Amino acid sequence: DGGITQSPKYLFRKEGQNVTLSCEQNLNHDAMYWYRQDPGQGLRLIYYSQIVNDFQKGDIAEGYSVSREKKESFPLTVTSAQKNPTAFYLCASSTTYRFGEQYFGPGTRLTVT
Amino acid sequence: DAKTTQPNSMESNEEEPVHLPCNHSTISGTDYIHWYRQLPSQGPEYVIHGLTSNVNNRMASLAIAEDRKSSTLILHRATLRDAAVYYCSLGFGNEKLTFGTGTRLTIIP
Repeated sequence: DGGITQSPKYLFRKEGQNVTLSCEQNLNHDAMYWYRQDPGQGLRLIYYSQIVNDFQKGDIAEGYSVSREKKESFPLTVTSAQKNPTAFYLCASSTTYRFGEQYFGPGTRLTVT
Repeated sequence: DAKTTQPNSMESNEEEPVHLPCNHSTISGTDYIHWYRQLPSQGPEYVIHGLTSNVNNRMASLAIAEDRKSSTLILHRATLRDAAVYYCSLGFGNEKLTFGTGTRLTIIP
């Protein structure tokens, strides 16, 4: 089945540690996105990539880093510089050249203590 | 970036139509209006999108005001499975969407 996978579903880390969240898609989509969601809040865009080896900062990129070495993969690293990393992280993908929908993964809930 | 404003919550009876409003008074001429919905602890699901004209699909209808400063998502016959948080979002095509805080829809059996 085609879709987006995010792993793990739950992740626990100690403060001061970097952590990488995985996002893989087999939809052959060019564009991929990372969003952050806090309790009771909407989605805020962290980073997005329209093509391999290229990505742009979203609205809240500070303390995060990404890479896009393969079309199907867009990992997100939450660095120790991110002041409030505990959140629900969502990855999405879409076909860049068609005005349609973004497909979202199931999300990773990160807890940093 | 253009912002959207939605009511925090709404209730509707099962099998009745639901009208979910969204205000986007600072929308730009190239922004599409997108609607997504999200169940607890899941990723959002696409519902519908449009630019100027009203749109229909198997899930819902989207009514867009003539000045494009507001829109309404219409669920024609709500079921219990439609209970979710509905997000109205703006973006050029499907890139760089700006999501609001959403409306939590409760369906009363």
